[in-house]
Amino acid sequence: KNEVEQSPQNLTAQEGEFITINCSYSVGISALHWLQQHPGGGIVSLFMLSSGKKKHGRLIATINIQEKHSSLHITASHPRDSAVYICAGFTGNQFYFGTGTSLTVIP
Amino acid sequence: DSGVTQTPKHLITATGQRVTLRCSPRSGDLSVYWYQQSLDQGLQFLIQYYNGEERAKGNILERFSAQQFPDLHSELNLSSLELGDSALYFCASSVAYRGNEQFFGPGTRLTVL
Repeated sequence: KNEVEQSPQNLTAQEGEFITINCSYSVGISALHWLQQHPGGGIVSLFMLSSGKKKHGRLIATINIQEKHSSLHITASHPRDSAVYICAGFTGNQFYFGTGTSLTVIP
Repeated sequence: DSGVTQTPKHLITATGQRVTLRCSPRSGDLSVYWYQQSLDQGLQFLIQYYNGEERAKGNILERFSAQQFPDLHSELNLSSLELGDSALYFCASSVAYRGNEQFFGPGTRLTVL
């Protein structure tokens, strides 16, 4: 069993839809990162969370420490949101990565 | 552009060889992280340096080593290369040694033939 599990693995949405990607972890972490990897391979850090909720534009990330669960929400999805989204838990001396969620947003 | 630079962009080499990947962090960032992304293993954390000192160690093989120099650039040395070392190698930088957003470089694609 992986220390960090993501769901779904693949997601196709129509433009404008509300999207949720889930991340569950089994290790004690000090921070949870959400990353976006574009089709060209580049990686962008979207959020780093240790508690609560963060918002940036149309993206919202939440974390529930007790339930060891985090969600990434995309409101009013757009084709440019098509990418792989990866969550990663940091324990203080190790990062554990989810396998990623491949999102395709259709116009 | 994240401000993190990596060289070279692409590297093709043969099994048994040794290569050095270079990373320059964003101006003002003291932490450098190295990651490996292969098709079968996904993203894996290798090692972190902060202001010249090793701070965290992940799944880094004994054949691999890294260091961070006084000017804060970092090098990842891969030796006795095997076919399975073919991957994208990313470095990232952040201001502090933990608790901060990381900025990723464009990666070095290593192909071992």
